[in-house]
Amino acid sequence: GEDVEQSLFLSVREGDSSVINCTYTDSSSTYLYWYKQEPGAGLQLLTYIFSNMDMKQDQRLTVLLNKKDKHLSLRIADTQTGDSAIYFCAESYGSSNTGKLIFGQGTTLQVKP
Amino acid sequence: GAGVSQSPSNKVTEKGKDVELRCDPISGHTALYWYRQSLGQGLEFLIYFQGNSAPDKSGLPSDRFSAERTGGSVSTLTIQRTQQEDSAVYLCASRPTGRSNEQFFGPGTRLTVL
Repeated sequence: GEDVEQSLFLSVREGDSSVINCTYTDSSSTYLYWYKQEPGAGLQLLTYIFSNMDMKQDQRLTVLLNKKDKHLSLRIADTQTGDSAIYFCAESYGSSNTGKLIFGQGTTLQVKP
Repeated sequence: GAGVSQSPSNKVTEKGKDVELRCDPISGHTALYWYRQSLGQGLEFLIYFQGNSAPDKSGLPSDRFSAERTGGSVSTLTIQRTQQEDSAVYLCASRPTGRSNEQFFGPGTRLTVL
């Protein structure tokens, strides 16, 4: 079945770049997403990319999509302590537009001052 | 403006009891989703409502789980005869029609089954 995998933990120093990686299995997914979850808060959509794109940049965030390898990454430039959170990769369920999402386990990003 | 709200924020119950979790989506959002987040796990899709269509229940883990959405707005997730493995954070999300697939999540209900 469909599956999304992420590494569980990443630690960086403030000011460095962070790269969070994700692999997925459903090649028919239309959209791929990155969500952020801060302690005690709900999930917040950070950015998403349409499956026919290779890259999307939004301020400090860069999303790279390698559709051939089914690999998605999120790069955060100039990482700040406020970026410490759990980051979830998600893919849309097939090519339908139901909005159902399949999430990875989440990557905990720790930013050290 | 008001986001997605969920109640209660925390629920502690005894094994075998029934629980009801409530979700108030953003006004006007036609799609509503329930997910479950178990400790150390990603989010697991449970059920999806879209307008007046029959809900997609394909993610419900057992027949002890059910959900309804009254008047196309508020939704209630019911878990009957709770088990310890039901302990998790239950998240609700809503999505407007015609937009990208951006879902707006509530803060969740943390359910603990003793």
